[in-house]
Amino acid sequence: QQPVQSPQAVILREGEDAVINCSSSKALYSVHWYRQKHGEAPVFLMILLKGGEQKGHEKISASFNEKKQQSSLYLTASQLSYSGTYFCGTALNSGNTPLVFGKGTRLSVIA
Amino acid sequence: EPEVTQTPSHQVTQMGQEVILRCVPISNHLYFYWYRQILGQKVEFLVSFYNNEISEKSEIFDDQFSVERPDGSNFTLKIRSTKLEDSAMYFCASRTDYTGELFFGEGSRLTVL
Repeated sequence: QQPVQSPQAVILREGEDAVINCSSSKALYSVHWYRQKHGEAPVFLMILLKGGEQKGHEKISASFNEKKQQSSLYLTASQLSYSGTYFCGTALNSGNTPLVFGKGTRLSVIA
Repeated sequence: EPEVTQTPSHQVTQMGQEVILRCVPISNHLYFYWYRQILGQKVEFLVSFYNNEISEKSEIFDDQFSVERPDGSNFTLKIRSTKLEDSAMYFCASRTDYTGELFFGEGSRLTVL
C-alpha cells in the first residue's frame, strides 16, 4: 500500500526545475504532498483528489493522473528554501483512512 | 495560527521503561493520529483516533502501545516497555475532517538506551 516515490534524491541549482513522482499499485482517492525540513515536522503543500486534478501553489504545482494512479509534484525556478524532503501521502478511499507516506525524495537546492 | 503542540521535545529512557508522549491537537479538530519517523526514514503511521476510540492501527502499534484522550484536549501515546527499536521521532497530527490537511506537531524525539 505504500506509495513509491522517485527519484530518491535530487540536487538542483537555484532556478532549475524538478519533478517528483509518486505512484501507487492501488486505486487512490487522494494524494497529499508534504515538505519536511531537517529536524522539523512535515508541512502541508497540497491535496489532490480523485478526478485527475491539477493544483498550483506559487511555483510548486502538482497533478494527479487517476488512470496511472500517479501524482507528480512540479517545482519550477527552484529556490534555496525549497530544499527538504518531499513526501507524498496517499489515501485509498474517502473514509477515515490514514495517510500512508512514501519514503520521500530529498531535494537539495544549491546556489 | 493554531498549532499542534507536543511534549516533551526530547526524551531519553532506559530500555524497558514506560514512556508517555503528549499532544495537544488543534482545538476544533476531530481526527487525531500518531506517526513515527526513524532517523532518515519515512513517516510511518501508528494509529488514528476519532470519537474517543481507535479508528485504525498499523502493525507497529502492538500491545506495548496505547493511546487515550483523557481530558478532551490532550492526546497521549504510551509505550509500556520501551525497546531499542522504539527510538524515533514521534509526530502527532490532527485534522478537521478525514479528507483534509494533516497538521503535524513538532515531534517528540525518543531515545531508548
